[in-house]
Amino acid sequence: DAGVTQSPTHLIKTRGQQVTLRCSPKSGHDTVSWYQQALGQGPQFIFQYYEEEERQRGNFPDRFSGHQFPNYSSELNVNALLLGDSALYLCASSTPGTENQETQYFGPGTRLLVL
Amino acid sequence: GENVEQHPSTLSVQEGDSAVIKCTYSDSASNYFPWYKQELGKRPQLIIDIRSNVGEKKDQRIAVTLNKTAKHFSLHITETQPEDSAVYFCAASRDTGFQKLVFGTGTRLLVSP
Repeated sequence: DAGVTQSPTHLIKTRGQQVTLRCSPKSGHDTVSWYQQALGQGPQFIFQYYEEEERQRGNFPDRFSGHQFPNYSSELNVNALLLGDSALYLCASSTPGTENQETQYFGPGTRLLVL
Repeated sequence: GENVEQHPSTLSVQEGDSAVIKCTYSDSASNYFPWYKQELGKRPQLIIDIRSNVGEKKDQRIAVTLNKTAKHFSLHITETQPEDSAVYFCAASRDTGFQKLVFGTGTRLLVSP
């Protein structure tokens, strides 16, 4: 049973560039959430995708955008990179439910460094 | 806005002692409270979770308690072992069908042999 996978594992970019991060959810999961984890901090919710639509969004600017594909995989795009975008970007997959939601399972993350 | 406060930020214990980490949440509509363990350079992994319809849940050496009135929940680890050393995050979420986890700032637990 494949878990959540992310690519690439590490990435170095310069200010102003654009970056695309990728996530494949755990087998059987159809919902993907993205989080940003700055060094020494807890993960911060960016947005969540289900049925190829953005369902919820956290307090992140429009420079952060995403996409979900028919096979449930997802991309996170960040435009006009700032130094402050340097962080570990985590993808989590789940299946929405009613009373007993499935837990969010995290991928290994992509560590982004903006110089 | 939604906020989760977590204390302490660091916790050092001797092997075999108990460790307690406490969290407070602000959104009274929150009713799902997971705890994640994150080892250095690795992904957060769920260790236990609790929903608002129960006050306590145990899994071997780990237990979580919830006080909805006070909006507090706590993680209890008994008989700590060196391999318990990691950063622990609490989180809270509304039960809307789509979880949006709001995380605490983390507790670095160090268990000394």
